[in-house]
Amino acid sequence: EAQVTQNPRYLITVTGKKLTVTCSQNMNHEYMSWYRQDPGLGLRQIYYSMNVEVTDKGDVPEGYKVSRKEKRNFPLILESPSPNQTSLYFCASSYIGNEQFFGPGTRLTVL
Amino acid sequence: SQQGEEDPQALSIQEGENATMNCSYKTSINNLQWYRQNSGRGLVHLILIRSNEREKHSGRLRVTLDTSKKSSSLLITASRAADTASYFCATDNAGGTSYGKLTFGQGTILTVHP
Repeated sequence: EAQVTQNPRYLITVTGKKLTVTCSQNMNHEYMSWYRQDPGLGLRQIYYSMNVEVTDKGDVPEGYKVSRKEKRNFPLILESPSPNQTSLYFCASSYIGNEQFFGPGTRLTVL
Repeated sequence: SQQGEEDPQALSIQEGENATMNCSYKTSINNLQWYRQNSGRGLVHLILIRSNEREKHSGRLRVTLDTSKKSSSLLITASRAADTASYFCATDNAGGTSYGKLTFGQGTILTVHP
């Protein structure tokens, strides 16, 4: 089944404790992206990647890192999480210039 | 800043009625995409319309794009209770990297009453 998977789905952590949210797709898509969704703000793009080893900043990259070492994986890294990074995070993938397929979301709470 | 802005923010209709949502944007785009989201779950793609297209249909959905006015509309005909969801437009903005920098609007919450 074609899909985008994210892990974990739910995470509660404390300020400053490094964490990684994984994202994987099995559709051989070149493009992958991370978004955060907050009430009243819609979805905002954090980082995106056009292919392996090619990443670029979205609208809200501060406090996040990404890497794209393999085509199928695009992990989101929070080196030192803070409470303002409490949010619902979505990973998505697509062929470049086409519709995106979204993962189920990761609900992160930073205390 | 958010480029896509949806209007209205919320829409409440009866089953069988049509629902129209609008999206405006500010800069040049490669394409505009409409998505649906059910209550905090993942987004599902509905329609993608490219900058050189003016109208697209998919089942009960009709999307128009007016690049001169920088606006798009999503029409859902003969709505059903199952159409109740949030609907988002997203613009794939033309720029130095050509594709990939997507900007989502804040969404329209559609409620269809049985």
